[in-house]
Order: sequence, then structure tokens, then C-alpha cells
Amino acid sequence: EAQVTQNPRYLITVTGKKLTVTCSQNMNHEYMSWYRQDPGLGLRQIYYSMNVEVTDKGDVPEGYKVSRKEKRNFPLILESPSPNQTSLYFCASSQGAGYGYTFGSGTRLTVV
Amino acid sequence: GQNIDQPTEMTATEGAIVQINCTYQTSGFNGLFWYQQHAGEAPTFLSYNVLDGLEEKGRFSSFLSRSKGYSYLLLKELQMKDSASYLCAAVSNYQLIWGAGTKLIIKP
Repeated sequence: EAQVTQNPRYLITVTGKKLTVTCSQNMNHEYMSWYRQDPGLGLRQIYYSMNVEVTDKGDVPEGYKVSRKEKRNFPLILESPSPNQTSLYFCASSQGAGYGYTFGSGTRLTVV
Repeated sequence: GQNIDQPTEMTATEGAIVQINCTYQTSGFNGLFWYQQHAGEAPTFLSYNVLDGLEEKGRFSSFLSRSKGYSYLLLKELQMKDSASYLCAAVSNYQLIWGAGTKLIIKP
């Protein structure tokens, strides 16, 4: 089944403790992206990747890092999480930047 | 600048028809997507319009007017399971620009 797999689904952590949210797709898509979604603000892009070893900042990149060492994986790293990073996070992939996305199931992150 | 507007919330009755509008101002426009998102879940693809006109897909239809920077999603024979947020997203210079979403509430 074609899908984007995100883990974990839920995570509660403390301020400053480094964490990684994993994202993997099995559709051989070149384009991958991370979003956060907050009430009333819609989807806001954090980082995106056009291909392996090619990443770029989205609208809200501060406090986040990504890497794209292989085509299928695009992990999101929070080096020192803060409470304002409490949010619902989605990973998405597509054939290309202007094509429709397939989304992962989401990760609900709470930073206390 | 780039901007997408859609109503924050709409209410409709089960069995009725509802139209959700989306207006956009973007550069390098190359199509518009509609997604459905149930609370706490991932968005799922509904439709994609790149040419002017109406695309019909079962109970859902989507319309685009490129000259007016306008799209709508039409939902017919509303069911309770249609209660969700509906997101429009414009393709602008090969990136997706997202609206904030319209929360649709269906009443019996």
C-alpha cells in the first residue's frame, strides 16, 4: 500500500530534550515536506526537500532541522524543543513540488 | 504578496447542498487542490483543477475560474460524515500555498 509513515503518533516531552520525528514514504517520491498545524493558522511549511541531499526552509523553519540522506526518509529534528513547538505535525510527499501530496497520519507533540 | 482566503466556518443541514468558496492571489499559478481533513487526522485529496470549469466526482464537484482567482467546492446530499475541515491549496511557482481551512458543521 502506498503510504507515508510517521512516528510517533503522540509524544510528550520536556523543554530542551532533543527529539526526532521520523517520516518514510514507499512511493519513490522525490518531493517531501514537513508542516505544522495550529488552530486557526492552517498548515505552515517548516522544511521541504526536492530530492536527496537537497533541503530548503519553508515559512517557519526556526527551531527545526531536517536531513534527506536517502529518498524514502525525511526526519524532523528538534534540537532543543520549546513549548511554542507544541503542535500537530504532518509529513507529506509527492511526485514533485506542484503535485498533490500524500500525508502521514500526523504527530501530536506536546512540549512541557 | 500571496494570499488564499476561505470562510472559517460554515453550517449546513444533512441532505442539503453546500458551496465552500476559495479566493486566491498568487504568482505563477498552476492549479488548485481541495483536501478534506477530519479533526486530528491527515488531510486527504479531494480534487485538483488546473483548467477553468467544473470537475464532478460523485457527490463532490470543484470549480475554477483562473481569471477571477476563484474556486469553490460543492458538496451535495450532505451526510454527517462530511463534517470536517476543507482546505484549498494553490500551486504557486511549484509550491503549494494553503488556505487556513473551512470547518463544515453538518446538522441533522
